[in-house]
Amino acid sequence: DQQVKQNSPSLSVQEGRISILNCDYTNSMFDYFLWYKKYPAEGPTFLISISSIKDKNEDGRFTVFLNKSAKHLSLHIVPSQPGDSAVYFCAASDLQYNNNDMRFGAGTRLTVKP
Amino acid sequence: NAGVTQTPKFQVLKTGQSMTLQCAQDMNHNSMYWYRQDPGMGLRLIYYSASEGTTDKGEVPNGYNVSRLNKREFSLRLESAAPSQTSVYFCASSDEWGLARNEQYFGPGTRLTVT
Repeated sequence: DQQVKQNSPSLSVQEGRISILNCDYTNSMFDYFLWYKKYPAEGPTFLISISSIKDKNEDGRFTVFLNKSAKHLSLHIVPSQPGDSAVYFCAASDLQYNNNDMRFGAGTRLTVKP
Repeated sequence: NAGVTQTPKFQVLKTGQSMTLQCAQDMNHNSMYWYRQDPGMGLRLIYYSASEGTTDKGEVPNGYNVSRLNKREFSLRLESAAPSQTSVYFCASSDEWGLARNEQYFGPGTRLTVT
């Protein structure tokens, strides 16, 4: 049973526009959320994270929003660049129970067109 | 600094064969992980090792064994490979302190095909 879901397998946006990637989770005990980015033939790399005590975290062009009541988070990339084209994974963990057991979504493939 | 390295990069096995996937990290991290990635499934945790000398099952441990050889190295063994184990395998490591323990560093992956 997938506790972290990314319902959009792919997203295509124009360079310079905003990319919004969405993620939903079912386990209300999750209290830490991360986004990873993955290029072909490479391992995922950490992008940005957010704790459940916050509703927003920003790092340069990347902002993650958390809506706990809806069990939903989103990653905004503004402005999008062709180099952002990659697969983005949402991940979540329950720091109190077992921070080692991180659950990942299936990923969203972002294509940024020049 | 090589980060997390994995060998081999590619492997083809016949059903019933065994093999060991190797992983090493040079970041002095205490925690290490093995994941598999399948289409439409994201990454699923097979086993992890929170510190040298300890290992624990993750979400999908059946058919696998692990060894934390020392602080740097964490291997994954398939004793009798099955076609269902065809996947891309990623090793990762993380620090143990604060929220950084969630920010895992991944190796480049091993693509395994079992025929």
